[in-house]
Amino acid sequence: AQSVSQHNHHVILSEAASLELGCNYSYGGTVNLFWYVQYPGQHLQLLLKYFSGDPLVKGIKGFEAEFIKSKFSFNLRKPSVQWSDTAEYFCAVNARDDKIIFGKGTRLHILP
Amino acid sequence: GAVVSQHPSWVICKSGTSVKIECRSLDFQATTMFWYRQFPKQSLMLMATSNEGSKATYEQGVEKDKFLINHASLTLSTLTVTSAHPEDSSFYICSARLAGGRYEQFFGPGTRLTVL
Repeated sequence: AQSVSQHNHHVILSEAASLELGCNYSYGGTVNLFWYVQYPGQHLQLLLKYFSGDPLVKGIKGFEAEFIKSKFSFNLRKPSVQWSDTAEYFCAVNARDDKIIFGKGTRLHILP
Repeated sequence: GAVVSQHPSWVICKSGTSVKIECRSLDFQATTMFWYRQFPKQSLMLMATSNEGSKATYEQGVEKDKFLINHASLTLSTLTVTSAHPEDSSFYICSARLAGGRYEQFFGPGTRLTVL
């Protein structure tokens, strides 16, 4: 069965710090990968997605993620975070069917 | 574009009553909609996949008789929690996939259900 694990449950950073959130998935075949963000009081929004092609994917708000197939990883990065990036981040994977399986989420708190 | 709405945004009901939650794709047609449940500080758990004009496909452990799903049109799916109990209190989120879309799902704002 597909599964997604996010290594960090809660991350606290100061503004301008660099961010990397880990995500690993378990599935041996072709996958589609996503990062979603949920700002406080708001609904899930797509940050970026990988379907095929360049494994380095750029998303909105300066986020990017790198798909490393050999490591079954899709880590999210941002070189310099802002206070407005405070949110919960979910990694998700879609494999053989329509279903998207979510990781448990990482709560990111940025100190001003 | 690709906006999904849910109604109501929150509901409080007595134990034993039924509650209906609507999920609408406002500016696109969605042949497939999904229903998730999110417990506090936890991830989204897929409950069922709803296909327009056919029966929903439920995930293992989800009671189909308790969580009735109807997807009667390309823009509306409903989830009815029947005979709700306090343990059904949760945040219910729907998502919709564009007809012919490539796996990307668009999420609704969620409905918070509290059963007293």
